Amino acid sequence: DTGVSQDPRHKITKRGQNVTFRCDPISEHNRLYWYRQTLGQGPEFLTYFQNEAQLEKSRLLSDRFSAERPKGSFSTLEIQRTEQGDSAMYLCASSLARGGATEAFFGQGTRLTVV
Amino acid sequence: AQKITQTQPGMFVQEKEAVTLDCTYDTSDQSYGLFWYKQPSSGEMIFLIYQGSYDEQNATEGRYSLNFQKARKSANLVISASQLGDSAMYFCAMREPYSGGGADGLTFGKGTHLIIQP
Repeated sequence: DTGVSQDPRHKITKRGQNVTFRCDPISEHNRLYWYRQTLGQGPEFLTYFQNEAQLEKSRLLSDRFSAERPKGSFSTLEIQRTEQGDSAMYLCASSLARGGATEAFFGQGTRLTVV
Repeated sequence: AQKITQTQPGMFVQEKEAVTLDCTYDTSDQSYGLFWYKQPSSGEMIFLIYQGSYDEQNATEGRYSLNFQKARKSANLVISASQLGDSAMYFCAMREPYSGGGADGLTFGKGTHLIIQP
């Protein structure tokens, strides 16, 4: 399978705990994105990387959220001191930067439930 | 103001009929891109079709076509000969290179839940 993969697919955690999600992009893709999707809404942009550099972060990304892409390949998204409002689907996407259209390919997401 | 507006929360369509999913957008950029994604119950966002703001022809990809009306800021998705497997959430999205979200970051609408009936 050469698509975007995310792990875990589902995570249930208690309020106040830390969680970490992993995303493996399509291998030759240099851009990687994190989105959050709550019930009944479209995905909302959180942050993106070009290679290992985190180039942009949304205002939605509070101080409790941190993302890394240490070697320009896989990425991790950590949420510290989780809150019930963090319950959502976290989607990762990757794309290959080049001239013209660059459609993003998405993974199947990690569904987080904070109880 | 909503950047992407999808006015149809849900639609029921008979199999084999054509269906049009509405999308209007709001931007002050001259250069932007419009996308449609399909999200089945499995959760994965599947890219369907892309239209650039400078493209003069409407985009087509198999059974999917995008009815792009730039002056009206509308980018409706048309699915011809619908199939049962088309049942899913459909999201319209826009990329604005200079308005945040990164070079390719997308702003999504709230989606339309399409159900194809046999």
